[in-house]
Amino acid sequence: DAMVIQNPRYQVTQFGKPVTLSCSQTLNHNVMYWYQQKSSQAPKLLFHYYDKDFNNEADTPDNFQSRRPNTSFCFLDIRSPGLGDAAMYLCATSQPSGNEQFFGPGTRLTVL
Amino acid sequence: GEDVEQSLFLSVREGDSSVINCTYTDSSSTYLYWYKQEPGAGLQLLTYIFSNMDMKQDQRLTVLLNKKDKHLSLRIADTQTGDSAIYFCAGLYGNKLVFGAGTILRVKS
Repeated sequence: DAMVIQNPRYQVTQFGKPVTLSCSQTLNHNVMYWYQQKSSQAPKLLFHYYDKDFNNEADTPDNFQSRRPNTSFCFLDIRSPGLGDAAMYLCATSQPSGNEQFFGPGTRLTVL
Repeated sequence: GEDVEQSLFLSVREGDSSVINCTYTDSSSTYLYWYKQEPGAGLQLLTYIFSNMDMKQDQRLTVLLNKKDKHLSLRIADTQTGDSAIYFCAGLYGNKLVFGAGTILRVKS
């Protein structure tokens, strides 16, 4: 089945220790997105890739970076996680029109 | 700017209809969506409506869009215990989904 896969599902890191979250897709979609969802809040777009073109949201902190080495994979790097970065991180993909975004199961990040 | 609001909580009895409401401020969205999120899981796309439509029906789900009032609703007919979840409405602005904070639907048996 075509799908969006996120690894790991649960990630624990220490304050200030860099962490990388992974997303892969078998849908062959051009666009990949990273959303942050803090507890009891709405998901919020951090950035997205349209093929290799990176599009950062204006209010995404510099602490968050992303890499897309190929069509199938996209990574979210948090350079120096703070306690406020604890959240569910959701990856999504879509065709260029973006009108149907398919979400992965998410990675829940805990910062100690 | 884009802002989407929802009521926080809805409780219904099994077999009744549920209606979840959403309002938005920016009418430039091309599509409006309803997503379902179960505990600890990602977002499941339930249905969506193009912004020039008034209504869309998909099995037990009915979406109503009132563009004048900037109001979107999701009706779930014959609500089941498996429908208990958080429901998010969202608008598409360019490639960006802007979500409401979610409505917790609790179904009592």
